[in-house]
Amino acid sequence: LAKTTQPISMDSYEGQEVNITCSHNNIATNDYITWYQQFPSQGPRFIIQGYKTKVTNEVASLFIPADRKSSTLSLPRVSLSDTAVYYCLVGEGSVGGATNKLIFGTGTLLAVQP
Amino acid sequence: DVKVTQSSRYLVKRTGEKVFLECVQDMDHENMFWYRQDPGLGLRLIYFSYDVKMKEKGDIPEGYSVSREKKERFSLILESASTNQTSMYLCASRAVERLQKQFFGPGTRLTVL
Repeated sequence: LAKTTQPISMDSYEGQEVNITCSHNNIATNDYITWYQQFPSQGPRFIIQGYKTKVTNEVASLFIPADRKSSTLSLPRVSLSDTAVYYCLVGEGSVGGATNKLIFGTGTLLAVQP
Repeated sequence: DVKVTQSSRYLVKRTGEKVFLECVQDMDHENMFWYRQDPGLGLRLIYFSYDVKMKEKGDIPEGYSVSREKKERFSLILESASTNQTSMYLCASRAVERLQKQFFGPGTRLTVL
């Protein structure tokens, strides 16, 4: 399983765009990049997944360069309610056996201030 | 959307007690997981089950056992609770078609006195 590295914490203000970068130098050909969000006292929540280039949904955008050794989660115009821990994970998407495990690191604590 | 429920949000037990944590999912997912989360350590996998009556050890199975008699239900058992098992316990499920997309329950905060 590819190891990921992301900042321990980030600060932002309401209304700003926030970019959280994750490095995954050993990503394999079959691996997808997935981001989760976790609010205090709740379980993590899947927010976005991608394989290459750019993916956008109603919550965030995910930018993946051609070499796929890093990825950037972009949160547009954050609000106080976006304060959470964001986890970057790398692993096989749909093939590889049902025993595929997810490895959560310690994530990035995003603190949004007024 | 998928719903994963856990039997308790908060639980207080005494050292040596047998503790059952139950998790139920309503989307017919094949795979289910138990994690514990501690400050500074992130989420650590205790056990997972890829089908009924199937189980595999995760990274920290010592002191725990699991049971999966029905597809929708996955139970975590602490045979003899100890203070170092005080933690947040999270259950998750997923479909095999989307290995990276797990659905988590709200968590059970267990305190062992």
